[in-house]
Amino acid sequence: QVQLVESGGALVKPGGSLRLSCAASGFSFSDHFMSWIRQAPGSGLEWVSYISRSGASTHYADSVKGRFSISRDNAKNSLSLQMNSLRADDTAVYYCATGEGILPNWGQGTLVIVSS
Amino acid sequence: EIVMTQSPATLSVSPGERATLSCRASQGVKSNLAWYQQKPGQVPRLLIYGAYTRATGIPARFSGSGSGTEFTLTISSLQSEDFAVYYCQQYNSWPPPWTFGRGTKVEIK
Repeated sequence: QVQLVESGGALVKPGGSLRLSCAASGFSFSDHFMSWIRQAPGSGLEWVSYISRSGASTHYADSVKGRFSISRDNAKNSLSLQMNSLRADDTAVYYCATGEGILPNWGQGTLVIVSS
Repeated sequence: EIVMTQSPATLSVSPGERATLSCRASQGVKSNLAWYQQKPGQVPRLLIYGAYTRATGIPARFSGSGSGTEFTLTISSLQSEDFAVYYCQQYNSWPPPWTFGRGTKVEIK
């Protein structure tokens, strides 16, 4: 079955950087578009970023554009999100999910806290 | 950016009753609309996509309708496990963003 396991969440100071990873198993990773979605504490869902199957096409929410970078390694069945210039409003649980638009499979999420 | 507006914010329903949740898009999204369920402490789960197609394993008591700018999720007879927050999401935009509504919390009356 599809399994997505995020890691890399931590407490980081404003202006700092963090790299999230998502290990995929149970499906043909290279055949799937992938996305990152986040959820601030007590809040709703926000789509963050998307990457095509080959990695050639990426898109970002305006709130993270220029600061975050999504990438994938199909040989390692791995998805990443490099987050730079972190701000307090980036505090959230970050989920990786399969799909482009429709998001049928989600990981359990990893918590990022940006605070001094 | 397309803004998704869900109503009501909270819906109080008794078990066995019908629940009707609404979602409105600020501009037309055709049928490119999904619904997700999120229980406390859990991961969102895809319920409906294409406005009315149930995802794998979703019970028939969940149904979606609408197109364009107005959408509805109906839960025909609420079970105890259905009390949760429900989010609509449009994925019509290209390029993204694919935007979510703020959610409707379905609580026990």
